Amino acid sequence: AQTVTQSQPEMSVQEAETVTLSCTYDTSESDYYLFWYKQPPSRQMILVIRQEAYKQQNATENRFSVNFQKAAKSFSLKISDSQLGDAAMYFCAERGSNYKLTFGKGTLLTVNP
Amino acid sequence: GAVVSQHPSWVICKSGTSVKIECRSLDFQATTMFWYRQFPKQSLMLMATSNEGSKATYEQGVEKDKFLINHASLTLSTLTVTSAHPEDSSFYICSARLIRTGAQETQYFGPGTRLLVL
Repeated sequence: AQTVTQSQPEMSVQEAETVTLSCTYDTSESDYYLFWYKQPPSRQMILVIRQEAYKQQNATENRFSVNFQKAAKSFSLKISDSQLGDAAMYFCAERGSNYKLTFGKGTLLTVNP
Repeated sequence: GAVVSQHPSWVICKSGTSVKIECRSLDFQATTMFWYRQFPKQSLMLMATSNEGSKATYEQGVEKDKFLINHASLTLSTLTVTSAHPEDSSFYICSARLIRTGAQETQYFGPGTRLLVL
């Protein structure tokens, strides 16, 4: 069974600063995918970034990047130049061969002006 | 692209009645859709996998007779909460699986349906 752990229930960052959200996972599969989703107050789940486990290169999407450490089963999200609109709940998720997503408990990010 | 809609966005019903929630992929076909439940300040819990043209598969602990799922077409899945009770009150979210060129696969989520059972 897959498990995803987010050890930071809440984080805060000053506008324009950088923040890193932590995520660790455990899976017995060799072929899997990792995701970060954002859930703002509207509760709409928005895909932030994805990482294929077979790729060594860390994924980046504009101000968002990941640090994927496969051996350590770690998948952290770095948000650079934080903006007020980045404030949301962030969920780390793992998808195995059955296409099901397993989510962590989430990290609530506050962005201070 | 990759838009998923849900209807209704919120519903209030009396205990004992049934409620149907629709999930549609608007600009792509989805052979697989998923239904999640989310309690306040908690994560998403997968309830079931909806497969077009076949029976849904339910996660352990989810009553299949209470949460009826039908995936009648490649763009529509429905979740019916039968004989709803107050403990069924929750936020229900669907997602649709999109497979892009090169076999890159991503789930896109609907905006969710808030259910309140009185």
